[in-house]
Amino acid sequence: AAGVIQSPRHLIKEKRETATLKCYPIPRHDTVYWYQQGPGQDPQFLISFYEKMQSDKGSIPDRFSAQQFSDYHSELNMSSLELGDSALYFCASSWRDFGYEQYFGPGTRLTVT
Amino acid sequence: AQKVTQAQTGISVVEKEDVTLDCVYETRDTTYYLFWYKQPPSGELVFLIRRNSFDEQNEISGRYSWNFQKSTSSFNFTITASQVVDSAVYFCALASGFQKLVFGTGTRLLVSP
Repeated sequence: AAGVIQSPRHLIKEKRETATLKCYPIPRHDTVYWYQQGPGQDPQFLISFYEKMQSDKGSIPDRFSAQQFSDYHSELNMSSLELGDSALYFCASSWRDFGYEQYFGPGTRLTVT
Repeated sequence: AQKVTQAQTGISVVEKEDVTLDCVYETRDTTYYLFWYKQPPSGELVFLIRRNSFDEQNEISGRYSWNFQKSTSSFNFTITASQVVDSAVYFCALASGFQKLVFGTGTRLLVSP
């Protein structure tokens, strides 16, 4: 079965650089969520989209922005990167007509040096 | 506010032992969903189970079983006859409908041969 696809899987950036993470949800899933997991921590919700509209927002820094496109894929843009942004970034998707399970992608490991 | 507490930060067992991971939650919502996810050393988040607040039936899936008790706001997870491959961090999570997942801090399970 198709799963959530995230790219790239690993990304190394320097401080003050910009990064773009991509997420391709499971086909027919209409909701996308982004989470950030720091080392040794639990995943923290950043932002979500339903049918291409922002549906909820968590503790997402102003330096970060995200959107969901017409083909339902989503991108998380991160600017002026800081060392503390080093984390595992997960995208998850769900389908409102099928249930509430959020299926997670493999994550993008971002390292800021 | 919603909160999930996993008081056990780390558990170490020997293969074939049974182990129970505790999860206590707080919410003011009458309709909510509880989840368990497994995060192996490779880093991905693997969905294990979803339970809604109206369904207190216990569930068994192979060596895994879950005990949901609304009276004590607990959703505990038991692994019977543990195996080395069960070594991972296990997260309990809570959501209301299609809203964000609120995770506990996770329990790191180490199963030794």
